[in-house]
Amino acid sequence: EVQLVESGGGLVKPGGSLRLSCAASGFTFSSYSMNWVRQAPGKGLEWVSSISSSSSYIYYADSVKGRFTISRDNAKNSLYLQMNSLRAEDTAVYYCARDRVGNGPFDYWGQGTLVTVSS
Amino acid sequence: SYVLTQPPSVSVAPGQTARITCGGNNIGSKSVHWYQQKPGQAPVLVVYDDSDRPSGIPERFSGSNSGNTATLTISRVEAGDEADYYCQVWDSSSDHRGVFGTGTKVTVL
Repeated sequence: EVQLVESGGGLVKPGGSLRLSCAASGFTFSSYSMNWVRQAPGKGLEWVSSISSSSSYIYYADSVKGRFTISRDNAKNSLYLQMNSLRAEDTAVYYCARDRVGNGPFDYWGQGTLVTVSS
Repeated sequence: SYVLTQPPSVSVAPGQTARITCGGNNIGSKSVHWYQQKPGQAPVLVVYDDSDRPSGIPERFSGSNSGNTATLTISRVEAGDEADYYCQVWDSSSDHRGVFGTGTKVTVL
């Protein structure tokens, strides 16, 4: 069974940093591109970042470019999102999502982890 | 940047057909994916590559895509179909990025 479990969310002050993790199981992690998608409270879905299976290709939404860094450790079946210079508008539930080919559908999602940026 | 526009809400009686549109410039040239999200839950893929269904998704869910509009159709709507629905594409016109539609709340009357 495919499982994606996010962790690392919490309350952080504006300007602070946080690192999210996503533990994957039930599939060959190293064969899939992975993504972070977020959803602000009461709002729609927003794609944040994607990383190819071997980390060769990395992309970011304009809203986070230069502040967030996506990475992965295929040996540990884990995906990460380092978030720096956090702003109130980064407050959201952050989901990790699997994507077979880097431009396909998000076929499996984690349950999400809540990040709250507030003083 | 590429924009996908959906109607904010669609209301439908049980047993009837719901159609949710997703408008984008020449969206017919892209592969469109659709997600269902119920309150407090993660999104679930219901249609991919315009019209294919993942295993476990009822045949009542179908999709089409042409010109500037993609459509998700839910036939014989059930109470359990009440949810938010999002379309999604990849845009590689200037960089490679995922794009979600604005979302549509489907209410079963």
